[in-house]
Amino acid sequence: DVKVTQSSRYLVKRTGEKVFLECVQDMDHENMFWYRQDPGLGLRLIYFSYDVKMKEKGDIPEGYSVSREKKERFSLILESASTNQTSMYLCASSFPGGDEQYFGPGTRLTVT
Amino acid sequence: QKEVEQDPGPLSVPEGAIVSLNCTYSNSAFQYFMWYRQYSRKGPELLMYTYSSGNKEDGRFTAQVDKSSKYISLFIRDSQPSDSATYLCAMTYSGGGADGLTFGKGTHLIIQP
Repeated sequence: DVKVTQSSRYLVKRTGEKVFLECVQDMDHENMFWYRQDPGLGLRLIYFSYDVKMKEKGDIPEGYSVSREKKERFSLILESASTNQTSMYLCASSFPGGDEQYFGPGTRLTVT
Repeated sequence: QKEVEQDPGPLSVPEGAIVSLNCTYSNSAFQYFMWYRQYSRKGPELLMYTYSSGNKEDGRFTAQVDKSSKYISLFIRDSQPSDSATYLCAMTYSGGGADGLTFGKGTHLIIQP
């Protein structure tokens, strides 16, 4: 079974803090994605990556950056957390050439 | 323009009923379509994937795509309480993972025992 894990299920941070969200997949997937999910807005793509050290902006990249130093790990970074970044963050991965994405359990981030 | 419309519900039906879930989209460039199921406090899991107009069946689930009308559906036969979840449609422009997915907002489905 494909397994995508995220470092924390729940996280509480203060405004202005630098926040790291980690995602690890164990199926040697090339593609990895970060989404946020908000009530009434659904899932929105923040960033994605096709390979180590490669990244592409999604629909809402402002206020976020990413890092992919190893194939199995994709990190989402909030440089200076703000209250409007309170959300559920979902990581996903897919096979090379595949559209089917496999999701992790999510990290519910609260910024106070 | 990336826009996918999906009724958020909740949709409540009795156990055993046939459920119909739908999405419409405005951009004809979308070519690949998926349905995900998301239980409360969990990540979405893929149910169905299709790229051609017509029907695709998998057990109690049938995915239907009508590209001319820009309309996709998911049918669930013999619905069970364990089917209670949020169902998300998703679509993308090109195969091969070249784009991220664009999701509908999800329909919350409740199957009453």
